[in-house]
Amino acid sequence: QKEVEQNSGPLSVPEGAIASLNCTYSDRVSQSFFWYRQYSGKSPELIMSIYSNGDKEDGRFTAQLNKASQYVSLLIRDSQPSDSATYLCAVSRPGAGSYQLTFGKGTKLSVIP
Amino acid sequence: EAGVTQFPSHSVIEKGQTVTLRCDPISGHDNLYWYRRVMGKEIKFLLHFVKESKQDESGMPNNRFLAERTGGTYSTLKVQPAELEDSGVYFCASSQRTGVPETQYFGPGTRLLVL
Repeated sequence: QKEVEQNSGPLSVPEGAIASLNCTYSDRVSQSFFWYRQYSGKSPELIMSIYSNGDKEDGRFTAQLNKASQYVSLLIRDSQPSDSATYLCAVSRPGAGSYQLTFGKGTKLSVIP
Repeated sequence: EAGVTQFPSHSVIEKGQTVTLRCDPISGHDNLYWYRRVMGKEIKFLLHFVKESKQDESGMPNNRFLAERTGGTYSTLKVQPAELEDSGVYFCASSQRTGVPETQYFGPGTRLLVL
């Protein structure tokens, strides 16, 4: 079982729709959860971080965390073509004094105009 | 504020050669991480520096990889001798505080191709 699993996609949504990205993780000790957006050939860029169960909203983005189900999701409302990118789910847990990130393979999102 | 920078952006070398990658973290960031993404796989952790000390090097694949961070500023990652399986994108990330799960800011990566 992979430590962090995401559907690779591609996930296609029409412009203006809600895009829903999902991620599951295997290590119950995981404490922190991050969504990064990566455009082709560019560096991963943090979109959202979430540490507690529930929802966290920032503009058009909402992250949802359910530690009991070991599940984290990202909703993008009013999707725009500029949201087309690969979205990486990452989890962090303390290990050897380091908060290294464990990534999923990413979900490729395509927003169709 | 300048972000994380990496040099070179691309490197093509032959098997058996040596390559050195450089990362300049965001100024004032004590934590510096190296990650690698090989084709078709997820981004994987290599090691973590706190200032000039190696905090966690559990992700380093073998002793052909040597990372340094002299003076606690920029870091280098040397691969010697390079093998075909070392091809991939090497990312550097930095964060400010130690001991807490913080946002890591990533550099643009170095794309390494070993022929």
